[in-house]
Amino acid sequence: DVKVTQSSRYLVKRTGEKVFLECVQDMDHENMFWYRQDPGLGLRLIYFSYDVKMKEKGDIPEGYSVSREKKERFSLILESASTNQTSMYLCASRKTSGRAYEQYFGPGTRLTVT
Amino acid sequence: GIQVEQSPPDLILQEGANSTLRCNFSDSVNNLQWFHQNPWGQLINLFYIPSGTKQNGRLSATTVATERYSLLYISSSQTTDSGVYFCAVGRTMEYGNKLVFGAGTILRVKS
Repeated sequence: DVKVTQSSRYLVKRTGEKVFLECVQDMDHENMFWYRQDPGLGLRLIYFSYDVKMKEKGDIPEGYSVSREKKERFSLILESASTNQTSMYLCASRKTSGRAYEQYFGPGTRLTVT
Repeated sequence: GIQVEQSPPDLILQEGANSTLRCNFSDSVNNLQWFHQNPWGQLINLFYIPSGTKQNGRLSATTVATERYSLLYISSSQTTDSGVYFCAVGRTMEYGNKLVFGAGTILRVKS
């Protein structure tokens, strides 16, 4: 079974703090994704990575950065957390080789910025 | 970009009832998935179904790619079926490897 894990289920941070959200997958997937989910707005793609050290902006990258130093790990970084970044953050991964494959999600991290 | 519409937006069922959820999409795709988001926020894979029909227990799904829609059938619903059901589509070449999600259908099953 594919397993995608996220470092925290719940996180509370203060405005201005630097926040790291970690995601790890155990199936040697090339593609990894970070989404945020907000009521009424659905799932929105923040960043994705095709492979190690490769990243591409999604639909809402402002205020975020990412790091993919190893294939199994994809980190989302909030350089200076703000209250409008309070949200549910979901990581996903998928194998790829030029065709479409099934995407798998982690359990999510509920981040509150106060 | 590709548009995904799900209907109905929400649905209330009595336990034991059947339901059909629909997903329409605006362009041809080679990737379509149905997910169930449980009360804890986890997105559970239900079906990977870019075309054809699949069944898994009380759930089944059909995608008619040429007509750009997919249907998710839930039979003999249970309270544990409650949650949000998402359809997501993608087309590898034109849209990279990104999935585009519908807004979801909120399902509540009453005992």
